[in-house]
Amino acid sequence: EAGVTQFPSHSVIEKGQTVTLRCDPISGHDNLYWYRRVMGKEIKFLLHFVKESKQDESGMPNNRFLAERTGGTYSTLKVQPAELEDSGVYFCASSQDSLWTGSYEQYFGPGTRLTVT
Amino acid sequence: QKEVEQDPGPLSVPEGAIVSLNCTYSNSAFQYFMWYRQYSRKGPELLMYTYSSGNKEDGRFTAQVDKSSKYISLFIRDSQPSDSATYLCATTNFGNEKLTFGTGTRLTIIP
Repeated sequence: EAGVTQFPSHSVIEKGQTVTLRCDPISGHDNLYWYRRVMGKEIKFLLHFVKESKQDESGMPNNRFLAERTGGTYSTLKVQPAELEDSGVYFCASSQDSLWTGSYEQYFGPGTRLTVT
Repeated sequence: QKEVEQDPGPLSVPEGAIVSLNCTYSNSAFQYFMWYRQYSRKGPELLMYTYSSGNKEDGRFTAQVDKSSKYISLFIRDSQPSDSATYLCATTNFGNEKLTFGTGTRLTIIP
């Protein structure tokens, strides 16, 4: 079974440019999450999709970030325009069941390392 | 104040030693507690999770949660060089699925 995949693995862009990150969750996983780790800090939650709907977007830093999950499969996270403080590693995770059902595990992708110069 | 505090280390121990990794948390509403292992340039991998207080054992790994003191521990017995990685504690509320992570502890097992 293929794991969570993310593309690109590394992106270097200039301040003011636009970058789109992609996440392909494990097939059949309705839940998809985006997290971010800024250097020296802990991994922080950005948002959570259930199928194509945003369940929780409380962690999105500002309106320069736009996440989509059309059709409930893969997801994209667009940063426009990028700022220096957006640099970090962006992780995607997916899970099949929620805590409500008592069966829970979030599977993480390898991350996309974003560098804004 | 961070919701989950974790000593970033680094921590180096000889092969075969018992490793103790710890976190504290501040939100008493947290119900589920996880330990993730992350190798360099990889994503976090779930090792164990526990619900509420108590112990859980899986092979060489034991997770402990003490809700009265808001303390989370992971013990690794007979540590191996392949255990060298960053270990992250994480927690979440019941019904709130976003994970709150500690900063991670970098562990090196010396052969």
